[in-house]
Amino acid sequence: DIVMTQSPDSLAVSLGERATINCKSSQSILYSSNDKNYLAWYQQKRGQPPKLLIHRASTRESGVPDRFSGSGSGTDFTLTISSLQAEDVAVYYCQQYYSTPYTFGQGTKLEIK
Amino acid sequence: QLQLQESGPGLVKPSETLSLTCTVSGGSISSSSYYWGWIRQPPGKGLEWIGSIYYSGSTYYNPSLKSRVTISVDTSKNQFSLKLSSMTATDTAVYYCARRNSSHAFDIWGQGTMVTVSS
Repeated sequence: DIVMTQSPDSLAVSLGERATINCKSSQSILYSSNDKNYLAWYQQKRGQPPKLLIHRASTRESGVPDRFSGSGSGTDFTLTISSLQAEDVAVYYCQQYYSTPYTFGQGTKLEIK
Repeated sequence: QLQLQESGPGLVKPSETLSLTCTVSGGSISSSSYYWGWIRQPPGKGLEWIGSIYYSGSTYYNPSLKSRVTISVDTSKNQFSLKLSSMTATDTAVYYCARRNSSHAFDIWGQGTMVTVSS
């Protein structure tokens, strides 16, 4: 299985400041035939299902604010929120879908400082 | 707008089999572009993929659960289902159904249903 490890486990950022969450996979999730990284980022607010924010490491889902961006390749990935808003308080998960079993990171809890 | 809704019992006894159904509305489960999946989340913990199915019935499961899991599809009802046998307290979780899109991420999720294993 591919192990996904996120850092940090929790993060407190001031409103309007940048938040950065990291995700590392235990092996490359770059699909060589199409040069795409099979990584997604999800946002889960309390009592709600996860919401897909970004797929293929850097493609923002329709309707997701452009303050959310994803980057990275191979085994190291980052989710960046450029200017934190109050509604961004949530737990964020990365997920690889390069191979089954699909696996998720342990989650990063983002709070307001 | 496509929506998914889980249904099933909220309480299951140890050793029994859990049966959940996901009803797809606002679109067809028989679309060639999508797979359909089950993911669970124990209270206060992270997400675990259980397995996925194509409308043709092709399935793939998490090896950690494979011996106990069966996922099936009923295209006439626009539903897919999960059966998980030999339930124990460690199977207590919120169970989500979700659509896997052509980019292979889970882009639409149901609201989830809490399942507690207790006698």
